Amino acid sequence: DVKVTQSSRYLVKRTGEKVFLECVQDMDHENMFWYRQDPGLGLRLIYFSYDVKMKEKGDIPEGYSVSREKKERFSLILESASTNQTSMYLCASSLVLADYNEQFFGPGTRLTVL
Amino acid sequence: SQQGEEDPQALSIQEGENATMNCSYKTSINNLQWYRQNSGRGLVHLILIRSNEREKHSGRLRVTLDTSKKSSSLLITASRAADTASYFCAQKDYGGTSYGKLTFGQGTILTVHP
Repeated sequence: DVKVTQSSRYLVKRTGEKVFLECVQDMDHENMFWYRQDPGLGLRLIYFSYDVKMKEKGDIPEGYSVSREKKERFSLILESASTNQTSMYLCASSLVLADYNEQFFGPGTRLTVL
Repeated sequence: SQQGEEDPQALSIQEGENATMNCSYKTSINNLQWYRQNSGRGLVHLILIRSNEREKHSGRLRVTLDTSKKSSSLLITASRAADTASYFCAQKDYGGTSYGKLTFGQGTILTVHP
């Protein structure tokens, strides 16, 4: 079974802090994704990566950056956390198969910025 | 990118009844996928239907796709209390180099009462 793990289930940070969210997958997937989920807004894509050191902006990249130094690990960085970044953050991974691209999700990190 | 729309936003039924959720999208798709999310957890892939398919079954799940109307529906038959969850559709756009990127709908919250 594919396993996607995220470093924390719950996280509380202060405004202005630098925040790192880590995601690790164990199935050698090329693609990795970071989403945020807010009530009434569904899942919105922040960044994704299709290979080591490669990254692409999603729909809402402002205020975030990412790092992918190893294939299995994809990090989301909040350079200076703000209260409007309080949200559920979901990481996912998938294979590069043109017709399928089923995504496998981690359990999520609920981040609160005070 | 614009997200698809799902309706209803919330659905409440009794155990044993059928549940139908609908999803509309705006662009040409390669495939459409349905995911389930239990409260506060990550998403789990349920079923994928390709753009050249009209109907697909998996256990108690039946998915239909009407590309002329740009819509899909998910039917859960003989529902159980354990089916209580949020359900999301996700579209894989046709063509381009989207690297497996999916666009998620806003979700339908299903509650099944015992």
